[in-house]
Amino acid sequence: QSVLTQPPSVSAAAGQKVTISCSGSSSNIGNNYVSWYQQVPGTAPKLLIYDNNKRPSGIPDRFSGSKSGTSATLGITGLQTGDEADYYCVTWDSSLTVLFGGGTKLTVL
Amino acid sequence: EVQLVESGGVGVQPGGSLRLSCAAFGFTFNDYTIHWVRQAPGKGPEWVSLISWDGDNTFYADSVKGRFTISRDNSKNTVFLQMNTLTTEDTALYYCTKGIDSGSFRPSMDVWGKGTTVTVSS
Repeated sequence: QSVLTQPPSVSAAAGQKVTISCSGSSSNIGNNYVSWYQQVPGTAPKLLIYDNNKRPSGIPDRFSGSKSGTSATLGITGLQTGDEADYYCVTWDSSLTVLFGGGTKLTVL
Repeated sequence: EVQLVESGGVGVQPGGSLRLSCAAFGFTFNDYTIHWVRQAPGKGPEWVSLISWDGDNTFYADSVKGRFTISRDNSKNTVFLQMNTLTTEDTALYYCTKGIDSGSFRPSMDVWGKGTTVTVSS
């Protein structure tokens, strides 16, 4: 069971918007930047968001990130079938370890 | 092209040892933190370890502390993960990945290898 809590699954229709939450504590999210990763089965995770809300080069602005207190949120607008994947939040912890969330499976209806 | 290539994953018996390697290409290797992340079959990714750009700082997940050692050879653009006292719980695909910013420990990892598979079984 992960220290960072994500909903196991979310779904939304193509073209719509979805948000994925990640809940932690003051030991991790509350005092550190959050990153978000997308993983299509059979491939390596891909960085979508870093430093809470920055997008690496090549990531479309349909993907956004935010943080408030000890929670973070990934938003995806204009959902496409290609967005179907597992999504993970990641942050540093005061125990000097890196934490991955339990993951959220996105289904595009 | 910026690339990370892992190698060294094989089958090993419980209690055994392995050394994984991660070769880097296409970027200034000694500017960046390198992480190892593993993924057991059917599970989510689990962070294993990181080493700073100069090798002076290393950190480990509790699950591997005292058994795994990360190191790097900047003259060969390579990071190593020495894994000892392996158990079946260590069976996973092991990824090598690079921090997005030079001189930072932040777990924002922008380049990932394809991984190397470690199977621990009797």
